[in-house]
Amino acid sequence: NAGVMQNPRHLVRRRGQEARLRCSPVKGHSHVYWYRQLPEEGLKFMVYLQKENIIDESGMPKERFSAEFPKEGPSILRIQQVVRGDSAAYFCASSPPGQGADYTFGSGTRLTVV
Amino acid sequence: GQQLNQSPQSMFIQEGEDVSMNCTSSSIFNTWLWYKQDPGEGPVLLIALYKAGELTSNGRLTAQFGITRKDSFLNISASIPSDVGIYFCAGQGSSGSARQLTFGSGTQLTVLP
Repeated sequence: NAGVMQNPRHLVRRRGQEARLRCSPVKGHSHVYWYRQLPEEGLKFMVYLQKENIIDESGMPKERFSAEFPKEGPSILRIQQVVRGDSAAYFCASSPPGQGADYTFGSGTRLTVV
Repeated sequence: GQQLNQSPQSMFIQEGEDVSMNCTSSSIFNTWLWYKQDPGEGPVLLIALYKAGELTSNGRLTAQFGITRKDSFLNISASIPSDVGIYFCAGQGSSGSARQLTFGSGTQLTVLP
């Protein structure tokens, strides 16, 4: 039973390009969460999605960032027109319905903006 | 926004020693969680606490959910080299989305042979 799969593991983008981060949740998990981690800091909540719905995006920057979790396929975190400050590790987690604390985290995507 | 104050920020201990770290918050949480993160990996859940006052063990790890619901501690007994890593506390369910986790800033643990 595979865990949360994130790809790519490392992503380098030039300023102004778009970054697309993918997350496949644990099989059977219908809840997906995205977190961002800056060096030597804890994870910061960005967005919580269920299939085809954004439930809570209170941690998402208002501009350039978007997330989706389509009926078929992985969840996508999209960052448009990246800037140096977007460089961070982005972690996806998933959980089954009805169990709020039973998160499984992926290994993350490390985004570097040059 | 909510903040968790985690201390200490880093610890250097000898193999075999016991370790203690804690988190405090100005907000009440319904669930406290402790995670370990190895370099280049995502956090892995160590212990989950669901009730105020709850004391839970997982092998050499023991954690408690403070009675005020605003604090928690994690103890590691008889440390070994593989305990090296960053330990994070996280609270859930205080406000906003009940599923959102608020993380502390981490405790970097180094175990010396």
